[in-house]
Amino acid sequence: TQLLEQSPQFLSIQEGENLTVYCNSSSVFSSLQWYRQEPGEGPVLLVTVVTGGEVKKLKRLTFQFGDARKDSSLHITAAQPGDTGLYLCAGSNTGKLIFGQGTTLQVKP
Amino acid sequence: GAGVSQSPRYKVAKRGQDVALRCDPISGHVSLFWYQQALGQGPEFLTYFQNEAQLDKSGLPSDRFFAERPEGSVSTLKIQRTQQEDSAVYLCASSLMRPTSGAQETQYFGPGTRLLVL
Repeated sequence: TQLLEQSPQFLSIQEGENLTVYCNSSSVFSSLQWYRQEPGEGPVLLVTVVTGGEVKKLKRLTFQFGDARKDSSLHITAAQPGDTGLYLCAGSNTGKLIFGQGTTLQVKP
Repeated sequence: GAGVSQSPRYKVAKRGQDVALRCDPISGHVSLFWYQQALGQGPEFLTYFQNEAQLDKSGLPSDRFFAERPEGSVSTLKIQRTQQEDSAVYLCASSLMRPTSGAQETQYFGPGTRLLVL
């Protein structure tokens, strides 16, 4: 069974702080995706990483895929209240997505 | 253009009642997925369709769960004799192409149906 472990599960920080969310697995994935989900909405794709060691930047968000394609991280610089939400990593080999349990981020103004 | 839509958005059912949840994928999308999301958790895969063919139903938790996509477009997830543990958000997602090994086609999610079984 493929599992993705996300940490931390909850994070409450002040505006302007930096944070990192981790996503780890014992399985290799052909691609890994990061989603953000707002209350009452479905997950929205932020980024897809496919190459071991790959780093992608999306404004203040930096995503990294581990060399062995088993783990990933999401780093947010200078967090803002608008970053508040549930962040999900999801791995895929055959199309269906295997999600981590999510990280609930609260950024206080 | 229109995204994935789901109906109803909220459903309250009495234990033992049958429910049907509808998903309208993005027009032309070949693949359709159903996921179940418990409160505060990540979504869990239920089943996958390629056009009208149900190619993977390994995530359906019991034989009370049944999904169909008869014309390769709209899909319905049916839950018979609902139980309290069925309470969750049911998410539908669609993607343009069929999945291929080594590539990930973007899945677009609907807003979900929140099911509460009393």
